[in-house]
Amino acid sequence: EIVLTQSPGTLSLSPGERATLSCRASQSVSSSYLAWYQQKPGQAPRLLIYDTSSRGSGIPDRFSGSGSGTDFTLTISRLEPEDFAVYYCQHYVSSARTFGQGTKLEIK
Amino acid sequence: EVQLVESGGILVQPGGSLRLSCAASGFTFSSYWMSWVRRAPGKGLEWVANIKQDGTEKYYVDSVKGRFTISRDNAKNSLFLQMNSLRVEDTAVYYCTFSSGRSDYWGQGTLVTVSS
Repeated sequence: EIVLTQSPGTLSLSPGERATLSCRASQSVSSSYLAWYQQKPGQAPRLLIYDTSSRGSGIPDRFSGSGSGTDFTLTISRLEPEDFAVYYCQHYVSSARTFGQGTKLEIK
Repeated sequence: EVQLVESGGILVQPGGSLRLSCAASGFTFSSYWMSWVRRAPGKGLEWVANIKQDGTEKYYVDSVKGRFTISRDNAKNSLFLQMNSLRVEDTAVYYCTFSSGRSDYWGQGTLVTVSS
């Protein structure tokens, strides 16, 4: 069973700054099966990135994903006020959809 | 427009049972793997179960194996989660969801509270 560990647990930044969120897998995973989600209070999760680096439908280009093997990164190039939320990485195969524990991105 | 509408969440005592439903519309339900995902209060997202398009393959997170059963009725465009032997730690908002390439679709969630 693959375990995903996200860091940091909480990230405090200001609008306009760059955010870098990390996701480490307990074993090597195919980059075709790594996604990132954003969730705001009271809302369903929103797909940001799939297949490690492909943006989901309607996702602004300030969001980008990268990585391979066991180390993956979500980068938000210039934070907008609406970007402050909780972010999850996810490994997905037909038999499971494993989430990391989440990174809370808060306004500094 | 794709819609997923969950229902069935209520307050139930530990050891009790509950059946969640998800009504799907706006897409070809029988063409997609479907999943249940939950979020407990103050915690992160947790995948619960997956079911193949024709219902022949089902997978569960270890913590619900033997207690929860995922099923679907393609004729009625519906997904279900039968939850038995409920525990306090099963308290969560339960989401019905599926993926279609660049897009991911989620319902609004239904709250299950397990408490005495």
